[in-house]
Amino acid sequence: DAGVIQSPRHEVTEMGQEVTLRCKPISGHDYLFWYRQTMMRGLELLIYFNNNVPIDDSGMPEDRFSAKMPNASFSTLKIQPSEPRDSAVYFCASSPGRGGAGETQYFGPGTRLLVL
Amino acid sequence: AQSVTQPDIHITVSEGASLELRCNYSYGATPYLFWYVQSPGQGLQLLLKYFSGDTLVQGIKGFEAEFKRSQSSFNLRKPSVHWSDAAEYFCAVGGYGGSQGNLIFGKGTKLSVKP
Repeated sequence: DAGVIQSPRHEVTEMGQEVTLRCKPISGHDYLFWYRQTMMRGLELLIYFNNNVPIDDSGMPEDRFSAKMPNASFSTLKIQPSEPRDSAVYFCASSPGRGGAGETQYFGPGTRLLVL
Repeated sequence: AQSVTQPDIHITVSEGASLELRCNYSYGATPYLFWYVQSPGQGLQLLLKYFSGDTLVQGIKGFEAEFKRSQSSFNLRKPSVHWSDAAEYFCAVGGYGGSQGNLIFGKGTKLSVKP
């Protein structure tokens, strides 16, 4: 299995631009998670989906952030407009879900975003 | 509120020495506990997890962790560190509300290994 795939791996953009991060979860996994990692705040859960349905988006920082999962093999995290404080590493993770709360999450390599 | 504390931001050990990384959690019930490792430029990989049974848990790469309810701790150990163990280690707690997605991570401990 190829694991969780994220693209792009690196993104540099200017403040005010729209940014779209992409994720392909492991085939057969029912859960998909988006995390943000910064030095100041560590690793934060932004949103997660179960069977393509958003379950908890309480971690999404503000309305500039949106996430979609149109099918079981693809999800996007969009920031519009982007701001310098959005600079971070964004991780996507997926999980089979069968084990409930004890299930392992499998992480992608991350997208390193820099907003100038 | 649920929380995870990793008191050590950065630890340096010599290759071949033993290692213990500390993790304390705050949680109202029996938690699901995890240790993940992040190598530079990579995503997180699960080392081990605990949610019931034997309080000493074995993981990959020779790591183990012990759940101590009385101390609210889940410390990670390895008897002999290898240079390839240099990475950042994250403790996480999950399962509150019975929900799959609610993992809370500590801030991480960066491990450096001296030759």
